Amino acid sequence: GENVEQHPSTLSVQEGDSAVIKCTYSDSASNYFPWYKQELGKRPQLIIDIRSNVGEKKDQRIAVTLNKTAKHFSLHITETQPEDSAVYFCAASKGGSYIPTFGRGTSLIVHP
Amino acid sequence: GAVVSQHPSRVICKSGTSVKIECRSLDFQATTMFWYRQFPKQSLMLMATSNEGSKATYEQGVEKDKFLINHASLTLSTLTVTSAHPEDSSFYICSAQGEGPGNEQFFGPGTRLTVL
Repeated sequence: GENVEQHPSTLSVQEGDSAVIKCTYSDSASNYFPWYKQELGKRPQLIIDIRSNVGEKKDQRIAVTLNKTAKHFSLHITETQPEDSAVYFCAASKGGSYIPTFGRGTSLIVHP
Repeated sequence: GAVVSQHPSRVICKSGTSVKIECRSLDFQATTMFWYRQFPKQSLMLMATSNEGSKATYEQGVEKDKFLINHASLTLSTLTVTSAHPEDSSFYICSAQGEGPGNEQFFGPGTRLTVL
């Protein structure tokens, strides 16, 4: 089955800096890669996603890049703010079922 | 985005009792619902996938007789933790997947289960 590795497990940055979280996947058939943000005790929220026919997608301060050849994708957050502090999960899925395999999560801490 | 509710948000029960958790898609019909379990500071672990009107598909290592899942309608799925024990204490989150080009998942707010 699919295996998703996510790094780093913890990321600490100063407000205004950029943050990058990287994920790799094992199944070349995976074609949908969502990113979720989960605040403590709350539900995961989809923040951005990318499909295999696109190499990059951007939404304001958030961007995701995908390298299908290398089977890795990354989340980029620019001009970080304290409210960006949360756990971020990447996921990969394939086919019509879109059942994702989640990474282990990255705890992002943005210091004011 | 679509709204998924989950009830109760928090439950404390005695060991040996059963607990039912409801997951509802409020503004769309969910062809598929998922149940996850999340331990503190860990990722989401998929327990089972349920499709309306059919038996749930359980992930390896998840006891189907202990975690009963019913998906009776396109807007409601329930998870019943039978004969709960302290090791079942966890954060249970459901998600619903609608129809359409995206097939994105929308998560419920989660249920914190504490078994004494």
